[in-house]
Amino acid sequence: GAVVSQHPSWVICKSGTSVKIECRSLDFQATTMFWYRQFPKQSLMLMATSNEGSKATYEQGVEKDKFLINHASLTLSTLTVTSAHPEDSSFYICSARTGGPSGSVYEQYFGPGTRLTVT
Amino acid sequence: AQKVTQAQTEISVVEKEDVTLDCVYETRDTTYYLFWYKQPPSGELVFLIRRNSFDEQNEISGRYSWNFQKSTSSFNFTITASQVVDSAVYFCALSEATSGTYKYIFGTGTRLKVLA
Repeated sequence: GAVVSQHPSWVICKSGTSVKIECRSLDFQATTMFWYRQFPKQSLMLMATSNEGSKATYEQGVEKDKFLINHASLTLSTLTVTSAHPEDSSFYICSARTGGPSGSVYEQYFGPGTRLTVT
Repeated sequence: AQKVTQAQTEISVVEKEDVTLDCVYETRDTTYYLFWYKQPPSGELVFLIRRNSFDEQNEISGRYSWNFQKSTSSFNFTITASQVVDSAVYFCALSEATSGTYKYIFGTGTRLKVLA
């Protein structure tokens, strides 16, 4: 159980175009989903937190107009990189978290990642 | 402020050697969770362990063991009799409970190379 999928697993796009990445929780309902970015040989950096039905909360320094996040259902969140540029090339990882009573452990389940290359 | 430090950027060992990966964390919360993840070349994160701040018992799982010491704010990971398949990047992460978001803060990772 607790499987998270991402689609596509890799994508190449031209500079100036937009690309959408999907994150799905396959066997559980995710009240919260997180989007991370990982540059080569670096750590995972949290980009934003999205809760189903509400606006995403972006981390400092992340452009919300460039990285559009939609969490339309309890099993799907999407990240759209708008007007992509080569510097947006990175490994994007999503994770999903179930809800629970206050004080419970809210474990995150990670997707396999999407490798974006902007040419 | 919350912070996770993995001072070892890269470690190389010969197969069958034991290796310890260090993790030091900073938090003001009394309730928090610590994690270790493995990231093989494929990129997919593999969950290894979760520890909450109230459970200081060390844990052993096969060749893996973890030493959690609140007094030194450390959560170190030891691989016994390392194997080539252990080669990967290992991340330590911290999640604070009181923030309400349960965001993960990752360390910078330690790249482990196990040589045959």
